[in-house]
Amino acid sequence: DAKTTQPNSMESNEEEPVHLPCNHSTISGTDYIHWYRQLPSQGPEYVIHGLTSNVNNRMASLAIAEDRKSSTLILHRATLRDAAVYYCILRTSYGKLTFGQGTILTVHP
Amino acid sequence: DTAVSQTPKYLVTQMGNDKSIKCEQNLGHDTMYWYKQDSKKFLKIMFSYNNKELIINETVPNRFSPKSPDKAHLNLHINSLELGDSAVYFCASSHRSGSTGETQYFGPGTRLLVL
Repeated sequence: DAKTTQPNSMESNEEEPVHLPCNHSTISGTDYIHWYRQLPSQGPEYVIHGLTSNVNNRMASLAIAEDRKSSTLILHRATLRDAAVYYCILRTSYGKLTFGQGTILTVHP
Repeated sequence: DTAVSQTPKYLVTQMGNDKSIKCEQNLGHDTMYWYKQDSKKFLKIMFSYNNKELIINETVPNRFSPKSPDKAHLNLHINSLELGDSAVYFCASSHRSGSTGETQYFGPGTRLLVL
């Protein structure tokens, strides 16, 4: 399975934008880039996904590099409730999600 | 309404026992999954069922047996529990596993502790 690389942890202040990077240099042409997050003591929660073009939804934006070897999840205004582990995942066929270690996001008041 | 529910939420048991964890989804999805999250917080897929048929079966001991009585349910039965089975088990569901754009909805998890 193609792997992703993320920083172990990042910090942000409340109400500021957060850019969470992800490298996936071995991505194949059919792999979708998915982002999930896991709040403390909860199951993972879908955030956003994309294939080639940048994507926006009510939770976040996803910026995908032209060569697709990296992507960035953008939280436009971080809140305390955004503190979680953020996972960047390349989704293969048959729905297999291979989670890495993720990025622990800490949001300071 | 709860989309993906699991029971029980907590399970404490002795080594050697047999236990089951139940999962139900009311989203109308046709694909369900079981994941295991160990003490180091790594989430790893165990099984996936599509329309009651097993489609993903990772390297999991035979003591783990998933059962899907219908599309809305995927239960996990574990025989002869071992200390290393202690973990949080998450159930998830999605539409059509063959589409790589599909998102998965996760349950709240079942925290299993084997003593």
